[in-house]
Amino acid sequence: AQSVTQLDSQVPVFEEAPVELRCNYSSSVSVYLFWYVQYPNQGLQLLLKYLSGSTLVESINGFEAEFNKSQTSFHLRKPSVHISDTAEYFCAVSSLNTGFQKLVFGTGTRLLVSP
Amino acid sequence: DGGITQSPKYLFRKEGQNVTLSCEQNLNHDAMYWYRQDPGQGLRLIYYSQIVNDFQKGDIAEGYSVSREKKESFPLTVTSAQKNPTAFYLCASSMTAASGNTIYFGEGSWLTVV
Repeated sequence: AQSVTQLDSQVPVFEEAPVELRCNYSSSVSVYLFWYVQYPNQGLQLLLKYLSGSTLVESINGFEAEFNKSQTSFHLRKPSVHISDTAEYFCAVSSLNTGFQKLVFGTGTRLLVSP
Repeated sequence: DGGITQSPKYLFRKEGQNVTLSCEQNLNHDAMYWYRQDPGQGLRLIYYSQIVNDFQKGDIAEGYSVSREKKESFPLTVTSAQKNPTAFYLCASSMTAASGNTIYFGEGSWLTVV
C-alpha cells in the first residue's frame, strides 16, 4: 500500500518570493507521482506528473517538481509566486504494478500568497 | 467544450433520506471515479468503474451506491446508511483505468445533512 505525507498544512508567502511545498511518499513498489491544484470551491486540476524519464518535471505556469527516489520525495517548487497561485495543492501517488489507477492523496497544502 | 459536469453544486439532505449526485462526462473516457473530500483529510475513493456495466468498491464505499449503465454517466447515491455524509464530492474520469493515466475532475458537489 502507498501513503503520501504533506507535512505543511499551510504555507504563507509574499508575492514574488520562492516557495517549496513538500511531499514524501511511502511505497514498496515503483510509483507514478502527481501534483494537483484546487482553487476555492472547485475540482482538482492536474499541475504536473512524473511517469518516467527526467526526474525534473515542469508545468506550464512555472511550477516544477523533482522526483527523488532515494528520499522518496516529490517536492513542488516555484521561483516566484503570484497572488493567483493561492490555492490548495495535493500530492498523489499511484502504483505501477496494479492494473487499476488508484490515486492515493496527501492531505493537501494550502498556499497563501499575499502582496 | 469537453469536460465533467456534476450536479447539483449544492444539496441539502434531511437525515434518513437518500440523495443522488449526477456526474456526466463527454470526454469519451472509459474509467470514472467518485471521491469524497473532507477538510484536512485529502480525497478518499468511494467507487470506481473501469468500463460500462462494471464498478468496484473503493476505500469508503459503505453507505454509498453507484451505477454505470452508460459510458458517459456515473451517478452516486448517498444512502441513509451513510453515517456522516456531509462532505464535498468529486467525480472524475480517465481515458482508461490503467495506472499513469491523467485523472480529470469535475467541479464537485457539496452535500449537507440538515
